[in-house]
Amino acid sequence: AQTVTQSQPEMSVQEAETVTLSCTYDTSESNYYLFWYKQPPSRQMILVIRQEAYKQQNATENRFSVNFQKAAKSFSLKISDSQLGDTAMYFCAFLEYGNKLVFGAGTILRVKS
Amino acid sequence: EAGVTQFPSHSVIEKGQTVTLRCDPISGHDNLYWYRRVMGKEIKFLLHFVKESKQDESGMPNNRFLAERTGGTYSTLKVQPAELEDSGVYFCASRLGVFGTEAFFGQGTRLTVV
Repeated sequence: AQTVTQSQPEMSVQEAETVTLSCTYDTSESNYYLFWYKQPPSRQMILVIRQEAYKQQNATENRFSVNFQKAAKSFSLKISDSQLGDTAMYFCAFLEYGNKLVFGAGTILRVKS
Repeated sequence: EAGVTQFPSHSVIEKGQTVTLRCDPISGHDNLYWYRRVMGKEIKFLLHFVKESKQDESGMPNNRFLAERTGGTYSTLKVQPAELEDSGVYFCASRLGVFGTEAFFGQGTRLTVV
């Protein structure tokens, strides 16, 4: 079974600084998608960024980028120029071809002013 | 376009009672998922519908949980009888059938069993 591991339960970063959240996964599939979702306090979960396993180029969305290492099964999220609004719980997720979506335990990120 | 909606947003019931949670996915989304998050821990997969069929229900904890998706539209998750350990936040998400599309989440139902 696919598993997703986020080894950092909590992280803190100063406003305007850069932070990297870690995620590793385990799968025998060759094609899949990886996602980072964020859930702000008392709000709905929303998509931050998506990466297809077949694409070597790392995905980027404004201040958010990933470091996708397929061989190492690693998918970290880098947030540049952190803002107070980035404070949230961040979840790494794996989507296999059969469309089952599996999440990691999450990392609480606190951005401090 | 309406997002994924869940009813109720909160529910407090006594042990042994029955509760039914509802999820209305985004119109046209074939895939519907149910997840549970207990005490701030990981989001645990419960089951996955493709239209009205259960694609994967490997995460359902026991036979006290029953999920349905009649007609492939909204879904219900019934817990009968509820136990204390069933407390948590139940999330519903929906996706289009195309591989790789993002999942859209509801706001969750916070269930408290006392």
